[in-house]
Amino acid sequence: NAGVTQTPKFRILKIGQSMTLQCTQDMNHNYMYWYRQDPGMGLKLIYYSVGAGITDKGEVPNGYNVSRSTTEDFPLRLELAAPSQTSVYFCASRGPNEKLFFGSGTQLSVL
Amino acid sequence: AQSVTQLGSHVSVSEGALVLLRCNYSSSVPPYLFWYVQYPNQGLQLLLKYTTGATLVKGINGFEAEFKKSETSFHLTKPSAHMSDAAEYFCAVSENTGGFKTIFGAGTRLFVKA
Repeated sequence: NAGVTQTPKFRILKIGQSMTLQCTQDMNHNYMYWYRQDPGMGLKLIYYSVGAGITDKGEVPNGYNVSRSTTEDFPLRLELAAPSQTSVYFCASRGPNEKLFFGSGTQLSVL
Repeated sequence: AQSVTQLGSHVSVSEGALVLLRCNYSSSVPPYLFWYVQYPNQGLQLLLKYTTGATLVKGINGFEAEFKKSETSFHLTKPSAHMSDAAEYFCAVSENTGGFKTIFGAGTRLFVKA
């Protein structure tokens, strides 16, 4: 199994541009999450989903949007990129034993 | 709402010494507690977890943690540090409600000196 796959691995955006971070999992997990990681801040929850068609805000949702049209895919969209969104983004899914499976991350710079 | 506090952003130990990483949590319901480890340029990997039952839990690579409800703590220990243990460690709490959101602490970077 591939697990949780994130693309792209790296991206540089200009202020005001938009982009979508892709996340897909092949483990048939219902629960999926997006986190951002900043130095010294740990991981902050941006959005989460409990199943196809159901999403909800986490700790730091401003400036982001998500959708969940299928169990496998949970893309994260940045509409108007800002320097404050420079971060490493991790997608995760939750297995039946409460364990989170993480993707390898997307390093995003907004200049 | 649940929260996690990790005491000490950096911890340095000598190889062979005891490792102790501290974690306190806040939760309105019985929590699920986790320790994750992150090696450079990688995602997070689960070290160990507490859900119910025995309060002393053992994980991979010789790590263990004890859930102490009265102290709202879940400290991570390893009797003898190895150079390969150098990494960042995250304590996390999850509640069995509302999407099973997992909230992470700020992390503790462990340095191991030869």
